[in-house]
Amino acid sequence: AQSVTQLDSHVSVSEGTPVLLRCNYSSSYSPSLFWYVQHPNKGLQLLLKYTSAATLVKGINGFEAEFKKSETSFHLTKPSAHMSDAAEYFCVVSEETGGFKTIFGAGTRLFVKA
Amino acid sequence: EAQVTQNPRYLITVTGKKLTVTCSQNMNHEYMSWYRQDPGLGLRQIYYSMNVEVTDKGDVPEGYKVSRKEKRNFPLILESPSPNQTSLYFCASSFSTPTGNTGELFFGEGSRLTVL
Repeated sequence: AQSVTQLDSHVSVSEGTPVLLRCNYSSSYSPSLFWYVQHPNKGLQLLLKYTSAATLVKGINGFEAEFKKSETSFHLTKPSAHMSDAAEYFCVVSEETGGFKTIFGAGTRLFVKA
Repeated sequence: EAQVTQNPRYLITVTGKKLTVTCSQNMNHEYMSWYRQDPGLGLRQIYYSMNVEVTDKGDVPEGYKVSRKEKRNFPLILESPSPNQTSLYFCASSFSTPTGNTGELFFGEGSRLTVL
């Protein structure tokens, strides 16, 4: 069965410092993994996705994530935070089972201090 | 413009009064899904549809119904709303990949429902 654990409910960084948002997953099959961002009062927008190609995935706005099968992790990083990065981030797993369930993590709220 | 449109965006209703939240997409996506978002719980899947006339339960389907009579529309029906269905609801759509899982999900702006 699928599950997603986002290890931090809140992360606070200073502008210009690196961002690390952690995600661990459990999947019985070959998963597709995604990171989505939600700005206040908005829907969710795709940041990046892993679908069994390169393990280091680059996304929009300078974000990237590395798929580590041995650690069952898919952590999101960015070298230098910007004020506009303040939002909630969701790690998502979708399994290759012929079904179409998607499982969301509980979310990590990123705060960026000036 | 490619988009997923939900209506209404905000609704306050009373217990037991049937309501429908509409969802429409203009991208010819096969897959559509409804989620509810509650603080600290992320998004939980209510129902999803792989194509017209094909629907299935997600993780929290109790108290909800859906239908998929047309490819573009996927309404969420609350036959007898209760206060525990107060939540923020999102509709999403996606192409289906050859391997059977979903591609990128496109989300609507959300519908905030309050049941008194």
